Amino acid sequence: QPVLTQSPSASASLGASVTLTCTLSSGYSDYKVDWYQKRPGKGPRFVMRVGTGGIVGLRGDGIPPRFSVWGSGPNRHLTINNIQEEDESDFYCGADHGRRNNFVAVFGAGTKLTVL
Amino acid sequence: QVRLVESGGGVVQPGRSLRLSCAASGFIFSDYAITWVRQAPGKGLQWVSIISNDGSNIYYADSVRDRFSISRDNSRNTVYLQLNSLRFDDTATYYCSRAVWDTSGSFFDYWGQGVLVTVSS
Repeated sequence: QPVLTQSPSASASLGASVTLTCTLSSGYSDYKVDWYQKRPGKGPRFVMRVGTGGIVGLRGDGIPPRFSVWGSGPNRHLTINNIQEEDESDFYCGADHGRRNNFVAVFGAGTKLTVL
Repeated sequence: QVRLVESGGGVVQPGRSLRLSCAASGFIFSDYAITWVRQAPGKGLQWVSIISNDGSNIYYADSVRDRFSISRDNSRNTVYLQLNSLRFDDTATYYCSRAVWDTSGSFFDYWGQGVLVTVSS
């Protein structure tokens, strides 16, 4: 199954941009990855899915256009433009392995985004 | 709107059991798989289990297989997670999520607020 690697922390100033990266382990560089936002005390929120060609499908409910994704090799990036205070969260990437005859889902360890 | 509400959490001693429920509304429940994901205090997200829309396909994480059991009642729009032989490291907030699951893979598009399970002696 794939292993997803994320930097533990990132920071950006209000109004600036930041890119978070999720790296797929060797042999899984063609996998799609899903980004989730997690605020303390709240359930996770689906942001969007990304493959090698960029976004797959639609943004999650209520996710503004200043969130975008792109893929490069084994890396799946989430860029947030014009950062707002409410963006301060933990961001997790996730992927699944196997289909209907076998299934496992994995998450990266998460990146804590601090808004300065 | 899509809504998922977990219930059934609490404090339980090691080795005992608990049943969590996930009540769904706002969508055609029988069209979607449902998954459970947990987050231990101060830790990241960990996938636990998934059940297909009709209950015919069920999978578990290695850490809970043989101890946890997932089921669903489409007439009640509810998914259940039976937690048996609980261990200290099962302490976590458990989230249920609607899963879009097809031949191209899956993603979890709507989530509940979570329910806390604390395993303590």
